[in-house]
Amino acid sequence: GAVVSQHPSWVICKSGTSVKIECRSLDFQATTMFWYRQFPKQSLMLMATSNEGSKATYEQGVEKDKFLINHASLTLSTLTVTSAHPEDSSFYICSAPPAGTYEQYFGPGTRLTVT
Amino acid sequence: SQKIEQNSEALNIQEGKTATLTCNYTNYSPAYLQWYRQDPGRGPVFLLLIRENEKEKRKERLKVTFDTTLKQSLFHITASQPADSATYLCALPPPAAGNKLTFGGGTRVLVKP
Repeated sequence: GAVVSQHPSWVICKSGTSVKIECRSLDFQATTMFWYRQFPKQSLMLMATSNEGSKATYEQGVEKDKFLINHASLTLSTLTVTSAHPEDSSFYICSAPPAGTYEQYFGPGTRLTVT
Repeated sequence: SQKIEQNSEALNIQEGKTATLTCNYTNYSPAYLQWYRQDPGRGPVFLLLIRENEKEKRKERLKVTFDTTLKQSLFHITASQPADSATYLCALPPPAAGNKLTFGGGTRVLVKP
């Protein structure tokens, strides 16, 4: 159990366009989901906490107007990278903890390349 | 903010031996600590959670210890296999309530046959 999926697994977009990444909890409900970014040979950096039915909480230094998060249901959170630039190219990963637990289950990640 | 240190150098180990990884943290003492495994190009996979009142926890060939006095956790892989080759991350929660995690930089393990 506790499976999290992401879509797409990879995406290439042109500079200035927007890209939406979906994160779904397949077999459990998640009132909270987390979005991370990981650059090559670096660890995961938490970007924001996605809360079902309310606004996301962003970490310091993360632009909320650039990285739009929507958590419209108990099984789906989306991250939209707006006006993407080459420096936004990275590996984006979401995670969710099943209710009543502390461990997080991660999606397979989305490789974003902005040209 | 919490600082988490893991050995950034890769750990090369012979198959069958025990791999030992270290996670040191500063500042506050967390209520629990977690270990994850990450393969290249994949999301991390949860392995073990150990609480502050637990000295040791085991899961199959994995063993984790938690020393709140030293502010250190050790992660052991016994009878290591080539399939254990991956990056291992430790993660800690914030001092306040909530279940977001801060991750260490990870240690890459390479088990040679």
